[in-house]
Amino acid sequence: AQSVTQLDSHVSVSEGTPVLLRCNYSSSYSPSLFWYVQHPNKGLQLLLKYTSAATLVKGINGFEAEFKKSETSFHLTKPSAHMSDAAEYFCVVSLYSSASKIIFGSGTRLSIRP
Amino acid sequence: DAGVIQSPRHEVTEMGQEVTLRCKPISGHDYLFWYRQTMMRGLELLIYFNNNVPIDDSGMPEDRFSAKMPNASFSTLKIQPSEPRDSAVYFCASTFGGMAVGNEQFFGPGTRLTVL
Repeated sequence: AQSVTQLDSHVSVSEGTPVLLRCNYSSSYSPSLFWYVQHPNKGLQLLLKYTSAATLVKGINGFEAEFKKSETSFHLTKPSAHMSDAAEYFCVVSLYSSASKIIFGSGTRLSIRP
Repeated sequence: DAGVIQSPRHEVTEMGQEVTLRCKPISGHDYLFWYRQTMMRGLELLIYFNNNVPIDDSGMPEDRFSAKMPNASFSTLKIQPSEPRDSAVYFCASTFGGMAVGNEQFFGPGTRLTVL
């Protein structure tokens, strides 16, 4: 069975400091993994994705994530937070080749302190 | 391309009324998804279509909910009769080729539904 767990419902960091949003997954098959961002009153936008190629994935706005199979993790990081990064972030797991097996994490709200 | 278009953006209705949400996917996309987002349950996949055909509606909460896709450029999600617990933000998303090999889903701005 597939599942995805976002370990923190809310993360608060100071502007200019590193960001770490944690995601663990469970999948019986090789998964595709995604991070989406949702700004207030907006739809979701893709930040980055892992699809069994390079384990370190770079996305938009300076975000990156590393796929660690041994730890079943796909944590999202950014070296230096910006005020515009304040949003809700969703980790998503998808079973390869099956559009019906899409599971969204519960989301992590990122707040940035000036 | 204008992206995925949803209408209306906000809908306020009274319990028992019929509600119809509309979605126009990105031209050329062959998959369309309907999601519901609430504080309690997060983001849930309700139903998805491939080439206008419903493939998996196991996420539709009950018979009061129905979805159609009469052509490649239009889909509706209907709730009849509506109830207060249906209050949520409903998102439509589209993609080409489903979620296989990491195809990105493009989301609309959502419809915020409030049922009084």
